[in-house]
Amino acid sequence: GAGVSQSPSNKVTEKGKDVELRCDPISGHTALYWYRQSLGQGLEFLIYFQGNSAPDKSGLPSDRFSAERTGGSVSTLTIQRTQQEDSAVYLCASSQGGGTYTGELFFGEGSRLTVL
Amino acid sequence: DAKTTQPPSMDCAEGRAANLPCNHSTISGNEYVYWYRQIHSQGPQYIIHGLKNNETNEMASLIITEDRKSSTLILPHATLRDTAVYYCIVRVYTGNQFYFGTGTSLTVIP
Repeated sequence: GAGVSQSPSNKVTEKGKDVELRCDPISGHTALYWYRQSLGQGLEFLIYFQGNSAPDKSGLPSDRFSAERTGGSVSTLTIQRTQQEDSAVYLCASSQGGGTYTGELFFGEGSRLTVL
Repeated sequence: DAKTTQPPSMDCAEGRAANLPCNHSTISGNEYVYWYRQIHSQGPQYIIHGLKNNETNEMASLIITEDRKSSTLILPHATLRDTAVYYCIVRVYTGNQFYFGTGTSLTVIP
């Protein structure tokens, strides 16, 4: 499809396990964002990739969280040693970026993570 | 730091105009105001954005005060499908981060 694709849509894991969440942005979009949304809460910024620049990791809540973006396209968010407070919907968005002010974000449907 | 302040919730009668306010008193001259909405269980959806002039598109109108310290999103004829959380965002100049606050939960009442 033409939109942002995220997988898995749902993930249930046990506390202490590692998880990987995948985001496939819209083709040609140079900017990619990860957000986290806990139940009933707003969106929490996690990390931002723009082209080949160093990512902005200022929103990552701990060193258990990491993300990479290979070839300027697909991104993987990894959470190590998951904790129950990591349970949330993880949303990915992409935009044309390029430092313009008019960049609209296009969001995927999210990956719902439940840590038991 | 979301840099915006919105009321947590609002109601609007179906068919009437919904006016959603947003305060952004620390906005810088080169920062835009964006509005997104999130319908339950979906990813946020772009609505409109502006710098200092009022803007209108097929979804909504955006009214920005002359001093740019506040804005109002107007849905001219609200429908039940407009029930959602509406986020007002000021885009940070350095980098392209979008910081979402907690938004306004709009309920359109039949």
